[in-house]
Amino acid sequence: EVQLVESGGGLVQPGGSLRLSCAASGFTFRTYDMHWVRQAPGKGLEWVACVRTGGDPHYSDSVKGRFTISRDNGKSSLYLQMNSLRAGDTAVYYCARAGSSGWYSLDHWGQGTLVTVSS
Amino acid sequence: QSALTQPASVSGSLGQSITISCTGTSSDIGTYKYVSWYQQHPGKAPKIMIFDVSYRPPGISDRFSGSKSGNTASLTISGLQAEDEADYYCSSYKSGITWVFGGGTTLTVL
Repeated sequence: EVQLVESGGGLVQPGGSLRLSCAASGFTFRTYDMHWVRQAPGKGLEWVACVRTGGDPHYSDSVKGRFTISRDNGKSSLYLQMNSLRAGDTAVYYCARAGSSGWYSLDHWGQGTLVTVSS
Repeated sequence: QSALTQPASVSGSLGQSITISCTGTSSDIGTYKYVSWYQQHPGKAPKIMIFDVSYRPPGISDRFSGSKSGNTASLTISGLQAEDEADYYCSSYKSGITWVFGGGTTLTVL
């Protein structure tokens, strides 16, 4: 069974940093692209970043230059380093796997971890 | 990146059919056959319902179907059931190796 478990969320002050982790199990992690998607309270989904199997990252304009996505295939783990955090970054952050059939879709999602940016 | 445009809400009666539209641009839906649809119940993680415009993942009911024409994709749910009441989001791959979501549509089953 595919499982994605996020951790690392919490309360952080504006301008601060936080590192999210996503522990993956139940599939061959190194063969899948992985994504982070966020959802502000009461709002819709927003794509944040993707890391391909080869390690090359891609970001939304809203986080480019502030967030860094990375992966450790040996630990089957996905990470999101978030710097220069703003109130607008407050959201539940989901880790998601690219689809096994449709590589441009997300076929498994974690339960999310809440990041709150506030003074 | 601008979000895809979805109606804020739709409603339908039990057993009826509804369609949710998702309008993008020539940089996303208009060019790529990589539209996905996700269902999200309150307090839960999203669940994929449709990928690559019209394909259903294993275990998804054939009451759910997807299509695309030009810059607009659509999700149709036939034979509405109470458990279909949820938020629905479209998503598309777009140029520059990025993805974009729609603003979401709340489906109410009457």
